[in-house]
Amino acid sequence: NAGVMQNPRHLVRRRGQEARLRCSPMKGHSHVYWYRQLPEEGLKFMVYLQKENIIDESGMPKERFSAEFPKEGPSILRIQQVVRGDSAAYFCASSPRQENTGELFFGEGSRLTVL
Amino acid sequence: GQQLNQSPQSMFIQEGEDVSMNCTSSSIFNTWLWYKQDPGEGPVLLIALYKAGELTSNGRLTAQFGITRKDSFLNISASIPSDVGIYFCAGGSSSASKIIFGSGTRLSIRP
Repeated sequence: NAGVMQNPRHLVRRRGQEARLRCSPMKGHSHVYWYRQLPEEGLKFMVYLQKENIIDESGMPKERFSAEFPKEGPSILRIQQVVRGDSAAYFCASSPRQENTGELFFGEGSRLTVL
Repeated sequence: GQQLNQSPQSMFIQEGEDVSMNCTSSSIFNTWLWYKQDPGEGPVLLIALYKAGELTSNGRLTAQFGITRKDSFLNISASIPSDVGIYFCAGGSSSASKIIFGSGTRLSIRP
């Protein structure tokens, strides 16, 4: 009974490269959230997706960042032309419910380091 | 935008002491939640609150949803070493689909 699976756990990129972070929600969950956490800080909301739909992307930077959750396969958070300020832990969470109960199940995170 | 203010930012306590932390906002939330994050891991849900005034316990943890719907507190009784970690409050509202997190309270236990 696997939980939320994120990969890679650690990713190192040079400035200007692309980073792709993947998230497989818990079985039966169709709602996915992405959060960013800087060292010693809280979780900043980025985007909320349901299968094939972006519901709320108000926390996503307007440029270089994109997210998708296709009908088949994991959710992907893509960061193009990474900069040092993108270095952070990116957490994915999933939820089974239609209502916004806030009961989220988190993965272990993907830690991006930009050199 | 919506923001949650958590206090204290950090706490150092003796094993066996009770702990209290709180979360406030200028916005109304319909749901208050408390999560705990251990080093190198993702947050884990501790308690969820859905009604103003609601008081809920989970073992040694007790949390309350403030009457004004703008605040919540979390108490931990008789702390033990495994309570060490970062505690986050989170809020959800019907007007927004996202769940907002506070900046966290870092709990450490004095040896």
